[in-house]
Amino acid sequence: DTGVSQNPRHKITKRGQNVTFRCDPISEHNRLYWYRQTLGQGPEFLTYFQNEAQLEKSRLLSDRFSAERPKGSFSTLEIQRTEQGDSAMYLCASSRYRGSSTDTQYFGPGTRLTVL
Amino acid sequence: KNEVEQSPQNLTAQEGEFITINCSYSVGISALHWLQQHPGGGIVSLFMLSSGKKKHGRLIATINIQEKHSSLHITASHPRDSAVYICAVMYSGGGADGLTFGKGTHLIIQP
Repeated sequence: DTGVSQNPRHKITKRGQNVTFRCDPISEHNRLYWYRQTLGQGPEFLTYFQNEAQLEKSRLLSDRFSAERPKGSFSTLEIQRTEQGDSAMYLCASSRYRGSSTDTQYFGPGTRLTVL
Repeated sequence: KNEVEQSPQNLTAQEGEFITINCSYSVGISALHWLQQHPGGGIVSLFMLSSGKKKHGRLIATINIQEKHSSLHITASHPRDSAVYICAVMYSGGGADGLTFGKGTHLIIQP
């Protein structure tokens, strides 16, 4: 299967700890997106990459959050000094951008973070 | 504020019924997505459209750009259609290139 994969699927951590999530996009996709979804709400945009360049960051992405896509393939999202409010599903999606148009985004299964 | 509104928030129907979920948005968009999310979190993209109408199996999506409105229809609904259906838009004219999502419509199809 060559869909979007995310690891880990579930993460439980104590407040104050650092956590890192990984996303592997569909191989030919040059755009990669991170979203956050809290219970009962729709997802919210966090940031996106085109190849290795981080082109946009939402105001939701505080200084404790950092995302990288060093080789333009997989991406990591790190949260430092986690807070209980960070508990959410973190979703990754990828798409192929071809200049004037963007294909549909394909979503990964998500990483569910619980901060105790 | 760029908002995406969906209605209804919750919908329970009997198997076989024709289902309509509505989505409205506030400013110009480059594309609108309909997504399906099952319990456990996985999201599947159903449609991406910027004009007109698309059909896939029992699912039909329409969009009216002038009225800033889209609908998702399910014909001959089945219990396996039970899921959360989310409308998401990509706004045109700059800003974040990620999607802006509605809160979703929780659909239950009873046998």
